[in-house]
Amino acid sequence: NAGVMQNPRHLVRRRGQEARLRCSPMKGHSHVYWYRQLPEEGLKFMVYLQKENIIDESGMPKERFSAEFPKEGPSILRIQQVVRGDSAAYFCASTRETDEKLFFGSGTQLSVL
Amino acid sequence: GDSVTQMEGPVTLSEEAFLTINCTYTATGYPSLFWYVQYPGEGLQLLLKATKADDKGSNKGFEATYRKETTSFHLEKGSVQVSDSAVYFCALRGGGADGLTFGKGTHLIIQP
Repeated sequence: NAGVMQNPRHLVRRRGQEARLRCSPMKGHSHVYWYRQLPEEGLKFMVYLQKENIIDESGMPKERFSAEFPKEGPSILRIQQVVRGDSAAYFCASTRETDEKLFFGSGTQLSVL
Repeated sequence: GDSVTQMEGPVTLSEEAFLTINCTYTATGYPSLFWYVQYPGEGLQLLLKATKADDKGSNKGFEATYRKETTSFHLEKGSVQVSDSAVYFCALRGGGADGLTFGKGTHLIIQP
């Protein structure tokens, strides 16, 4: 049973480009969380999604960031017009039910030049 | 809002030493408390958890006790190994919250 898969592992973008980060949850998991880890910081909650629904996006920046978890396919975190301050490690986690153990992916390291 | 504070790293110890990583929290209600571990190049893994006051979580020789009176959840291990070298994150989930609130992480380095 494969774990949570995130790709790419490393993503390099120039300022103003778009970044798309993918997360395939564990088989049977319908809840996905995205976290961001800035240098020297802890993980910060961004968004919580269930299939086709955004449940809590209180941690998402108001502009340029969006997330989706379609009925088929991976969850996507999209960052438009990236800036240097977006450089961070982005982690995805999945779970089967809300109060169950979270399983984390290995993260995507985004570097904005 | 909720917050987690854990000791700054890196923490460097010799093999078989006693380990304590301090963690304190601020939260409304009665949060659940967690320790996660991140080995190099991997995602976070749940190490242990406690869901109510005075509960003790334990796994792989690590322990932490939920202390409501001191709002703490310190991680301890009696004898560390080189393979314990990793980054350790303390976290909480507040009542009704969807996401976890994490501390900044403590990098632990165990030398042979």
